[in-house]
Amino acid sequence: NAGVTQTPKFRILKIGQSMTLQCAQDMNHNYMYWYRQDPGMGLKLIYYSVGAGITDKGEVPNGYNVSRSTTEDFPLRLELAAPSQTSVYFCASSPALYGYTFGSGTRLTVV
Amino acid sequence: AQKITQTQPGMFVQEKEAVTLDCTYDTSDPSYGLFWYKQPSSGEMIFLIYQGSYDQQNATEGRYSLNFQKARKSANLVISASQLGDSAMYFCANLEAIAGGGADGLTFGKGTHLIIQP
Repeated sequence: NAGVTQTPKFRILKIGQSMTLQCAQDMNHNYMYWYRQDPGMGLKLIYYSVGAGITDKGEVPNGYNVSRSTTEDFPLRLELAAPSQTSVYFCASSPALYGYTFGSGTRLTVV
Repeated sequence: AQKITQTQPGMFVQEKEAVTLDCTYDTSDPSYGLFWYKQPSSGEMIFLIYQGSYDQQNATEGRYSLNFQKARKSANLVISASQLGDSAMYFCANLEAIAGGGADGLTFGKGTHLIIQP
């Protein structure tokens, strides 16, 4: 049982480049989330989804986009990478209101 | 306004001693949940313990217990008989409804870096 799988684990981007952070879960959870963790800080919610086809903004959505075409996948898109997006990104899923399972994170550096 | 406050940026504790990590929260929602997560140096987020706002008893999970004082809006984590492997960042988080949204989201504190010394 893989849980929540994030790829890649590490990535370096140049300013202005774009990329997609992949997130997949095999637990049939309806709720999925993207968080970012800046150095020395807790996690902040970027986007979330309550089911396939339904997404909504969290606390810090600017510079990101998401889609949820299937229950399993919830990719996060960065269109024009900026140094302020250097962070560790965590994807999470939950079956209902609690019981979060986090992925192992993607460490992104924008230079 | 900060919703989750962890006032201890770092703590040093002797092995086998008990540890209390402080967490206070601010919410107007009568229904909420409080979580503690452990983040070792490897980076993953590990769930430790959960306390619902309507739970009558303090949550316990093995060596972890939560000292929940609702009137004071505090949810301190207590680790009994600390071990070297407990060295990590510890985050308190509150689960509540996302403003204008259809789901609940976690709001995290800034964390406490706990170092267990032999």
